[in-house]
Amino acid sequence: AQTVTQSQPEMSVQEAETVTLSCTYDTSESDYYLFWYKQPPSRQMILVIRQEAYKQQNATENRFSVNFQKAAKSFSLKISDSQLGDAAMYFCAYRSATWGGSQGNLIFGKGTKLSVKP
Amino acid sequence: ETGVTQSPTHLIKTRGQQVTLRCSSQSGHNTVSWYQQALGQGPQFIFQYYREEENGRGNFPPRFSGLQFPNYSSELNVNALELDDSALYLCASSYEVGNEKLFFGSGTQLSVL
Repeated sequence: AQTVTQSQPEMSVQEAETVTLSCTYDTSESDYYLFWYKQPPSRQMILVIRQEAYKQQNATENRFSVNFQKAAKSFSLKISDSQLGDAAMYFCAYRSATWGGSQGNLIFGKGTKLSVKP
Repeated sequence: ETGVTQSPTHLIKTRGQQVTLRCSSQSGHNTVSWYQQALGQGPQFIFQYYREEENGRGNFPPRFSGLQFPNYSSELNVNALELDDSALYLCASSYEVGNEKLFFGSGTQLSVL
């Protein structure tokens, strides 16, 4: 079974600085997707960034970028120029490329609570 | 806004009761998944419905059941509530099964006393 581990329960960053959130995962599959989701106090999960395992190039979305190391099974999120609105819970998630049964659903880590100091 | 709405936002029940949670997806979203998020944890997959049929289930007992309707709404039913069922319940919809772009609702916070 696949697992996702986020080893940092809480992180803090100064406004305008850069912060990196860590995520490792375990799988025997070769084709899958990785995600970072943001969950603000409104509780709605918001997709921040997505990475396809077969793509070597790291995904980037504006101030958000990932460092995807497939061999090491590592998928970290870098937030540049942090803003007060970035404060939230961040979840790393894995999804198999295969569908059916219990496959194809999102498997989440326990999350990292990010605080942004003004 | 994702266009996915859930009701109610909060709910209090007592052990042994039954509960129905509702989700309204965006028009055209024929796939809906339900997740349970316990306090301090990441969401856990309960099940998925595609075109009104269950087509995937996580490690949850049969007292967790669901329905999906042609009007893009769905329900999560939980029978014989237990204290450990206290959690945030999230629904997520997508255009097609296998589409990795999920749209989440804001959840229903269920407390079982």
